[in-house]
Amino acid sequence: AQSVTQLGSHVSVSEGALVLLRCNYSSSVPPYLFWYVQYPNQGLQLLLKYTSAATLVKGINGFEAEFKKSETSFHLTKPSAHMSDAAEYFCAVSDANQAGTALIFGKGTTLSVSS
Amino acid sequence: NAGVTQTPKFQVLKTGQSMTLQCAQDMNHEYMSWYRQDPGMGLRLIHYSVGAGITDQGEVPNGYNVSRSTTEDFPLRLLSAAPSQTSVYFCASRMGGYGYTFGSGTRLTVV
Repeated sequence: AQSVTQLGSHVSVSEGALVLLRCNYSSSVPPYLFWYVQYPNQGLQLLLKYTSAATLVKGINGFEAEFKKSETSFHLTKPSAHMSDAAEYFCAVSDANQAGTALIFGKGTTLSVSS
Repeated sequence: NAGVTQTPKFQVLKTGQSMTLQCAQDMNHEYMSWYRQDPGMGLRLIHYSVGAGITDQGEVPNGYNVSRSTTEDFPLRLLSAAPSQTSVYFCASRMGGYGYTFGSGTRLTVV
């Protein structure tokens, strides 16, 4: 079975500071890993995905994440936070060997950005 | 290309009523799924389908039915609504191992 743990349900940073959102996964098979962002009262938007190519993945809006198999982690970072980054972020995992499997989500991390 | 379309956007039901949440996608995606989102719980999988005529249960299937008669449509039925089904429901589709495309959600309140 696959699972995702997002460390910290709420992260607060100042504008211009580093953003680090933590995600650890559990999977007995090679995983695909995803980060999604949800702005208030909206659906989910894909930020970036790891699908077994480069371990450092760059996404939209200046975000990136690094797949570390030895640490079973896929942490999301951004060098300099903007006010517009305030949202809820979800890490998700699926089975890379089976295209027909579901995404399993973490419980989410709310990012607050103060001026 | 509309992506994933969910209707309605908002719905209030009385306990015991039934209704169908509609989901349609125009991307010819084989894989579709329904999630519910509750505060602090993330998104939990209700049902999913790997193609027309094939459906399976997810983590929280009780109280919900699905069918997949066409590639495009994947409706979610609430047979007898309960207050515990108050939630935001998301439909999503994907092709292969790539990320899902999500609909904009249906906010359901059961009173």
